[in-house]
Amino acid sequence: DTEVTQTPKHLVMGMTNKKSLKCEQHMGHRAMYWYKQKAKKPPELMFVYSYEKLSINESVPSRFSPECPNSSLLNLHLHALQPEDSALYLCASSQDQGPSWAFFGQGTRLTVV
Amino acid sequence: TQLLEQSPQFLSIQEGENLTVYCNSSSVFSSLQWYRQEPGEGPVLLVTVVTGGEVKKLKRLTFQFGDARKDSSLHITAAQPGDTGLYLCAGEGWGAQKLVFGQGTRLTINP
Repeated sequence: DTEVTQTPKHLVMGMTNKKSLKCEQHMGHRAMYWYKQKAKKPPELMFVYSYEKLSINESVPSRFSPECPNSSLLNLHLHALQPEDSALYLCASSQDQGPSWAFFGQGTRLTVV
Repeated sequence: TQLLEQSPQFLSIQEGENLTVYCNSSSVFSSLQWYRQEPGEGPVLLVTVVTGGEVKKLKRLTFQFGDARKDSSLHITAAQPGDTGLYLCAGEGWGAQKLVFGQGTRLTINP
């Protein structure tokens, strides 16, 4: 099983809403990642969790709040987003602490209105 | 800052032709990944190469990691319309916890 599952697949939210994106993997991977991808651009790293601890925050605005409840789950809490935050949000996981052989989920298409 | 330059950015060819996509850097990477991405979907891992000079084959796709671990190539033989998509290379720096992505190659195979 090399599956990373993300929910929801699509999300439309207002600028005053609070919502959460969810990611789950059962490959025993100990590193999990959030990426943001704008149209026609490569993925941009947002956060890295290693062994359930936040190890990298790429200077992401505080309106994005990650959470890793356990080794299989990764959440991204969203609050007071801006229209320019509309993008495809991707979750990925990999073994141990290195990003090689990273597997990506299908993504959540987020639209902020 | 590690950068990966991918070329060409766009490629449109006829079914049955061969093609090569390149991924180059001035930096050394401990591993390099190739992904294919369909519109609105997440990238799908095709291969990881870790040894300088390594060659891996996946059906009609051949991946090579440069001897100096600074570059990689993806060669597709007898391209088919199902090969259409965005191809991304991504390198792992030494001791880094993140991937450096190339800008991608948007490949279109015309029937």
